[in-house]
Order: sequence, then structure tokens, then C-alpha cells
Amino acid sequence: DIVMTQSPDSLAVSLGERATINCKSSQSVLYSSNNKNYLAWYQQKPGQPPKLLIYWASTRESGVPDRFSGSGSGADFTLTISSLQAEDVAVYYCQQYYNTPWAFGQGTKVEVK
Amino acid sequence: QITLKESGPTLVKPTQTLTLTCTFSGFSLSTSGVGVGWIRQPPGKALEWLALIFWDDDKRYSPSLKSRLTITKDTSKNLVVLILTNMDPVDTATYYCAHLREGDGSSFNAFDVWGQGTLVTVSS
Repeated sequence: DIVMTQSPDSLAVSLGERATINCKSSQSVLYSSNNKNYLAWYQQKPGQPPKLLIYWASTRESGVPDRFSGSGSGADFTLTISSLQAEDVAVYYCQQYYNTPWAFGQGTKVEVK
Repeated sequence: QITLKESGPTLVKPTQTLTLTCTFSGFSLSTSGVGVGWIRQPPGKALEWLALIFWDDDKRYSPSLKSRLTITKDTSKNLVVLILTNMDPVDTATYYCAHLREGDGSSFNAFDVWGQGTLVTVSS
């Protein structure tokens, strides 16, 4: 089974500053036949379901602000919020959908410093 | 517009069986490539993937829960049912159903639309 590990567990960033969240999978989630990384990022605010931000590791979901970006390949991935806004305070999860059992990271809590 | 809504009991006793229903609209589970999944989240904890069902009745389960889990669909009623047997207090969680993104030539995809979730508490 693939294990997803995020770092850090939490971070505090000043408004307007950059936030960077890392996600590492225990094995590659890059499917060679289509050159796609089977990795998604979600944002979850208190009392709400998760919201899809990024899929295929770097494709932004429709309607997601362009301050959110995903990068990485193979087993190492990053979610970057280029300029943190107050409404970005949330827990962020990565998820691999390369093979079952699908798995989520443990989550990274982003707060305002 | 795709929507999903979970329903079921809010309180179950230990050893009982939990049956949750995901009622959806905006897509059909008889359409090639479509899938629905279940995910749960204990209070204050991370998301845990439970099960998937696809348009062709392909089913996938979390290995740690496979002996207790059953996922089924009723395409005529636009619903997916999750059954979890022998409930325990550690199964207390918010249970979500979610729609798999369609397209891009892959049946495995991210969850693009989620239900609001239903909190299930296991207690005697």
C-alpha cells in the first residue's frame, strides 16, 4: 500500500506571504503509459467537506484561484499558495489515486501568523 | 450540476451494522467511466478512503476494512449504499460520498464533488 506523508503538520504564514506544503508518497504515483502523476490536493475548512484544488499533481480545478499551484513528479509533490489570503486558512490534504487502496496524507494545517 | 447527499443513522450501537446511502444527481452511474467513492473522517483526524464503485460494478475496498465493508449501487434510483458491519466506537466519524472526476482517459481520478457528510457516532 502507498503511504502519503505530508510536511509540515502545521504552518503559520503572514498574509501575502508564500505557504509551501510538501507531500511524499512511499512509491511513485507516476503512470508511465500516460505520463500523469495520480496525485490530488484538497482544502478543508472547518465544518465543510474537502474541496478539490489540484489534480494530476499540477492541474488547477476550475474556479480555484491561481495563487494555488501544484508541482512535483514521481514521489515528491508540493502545494504552494503564492500569497496567503485570510480565506486560505484550512487543512490541506494530498491524496494518491494511482492504485487502491487510495490514500490521503495526514493533513497540514495552515494558519495566519 | 453534480450533487451528492449522504443519509443514514446518526447513532449506532457497538456490533450493529451501519447502512449509509449516497443519493446523487447530475450524473449517471450507468455511464462509462463514472465512479463514486466513500471516505470517512474521525473527529479532528485525517481523511480515510473506504471504498469505490464504478459504472461497470467494479468495486474496490480498503484492505483494513474489507471484511466489514460492502458497496453497492442502484443506477435506476441514482444511489450508492455503503454497509459497514460490526461497528465499534473507533468507527465514529463523518462519512462522505464523493464523485470521481470524469475524462482524461482514466477511470482512476480525483474526487471533484463531495457530499456534506454525515456524522455517525458509535456508542452504547
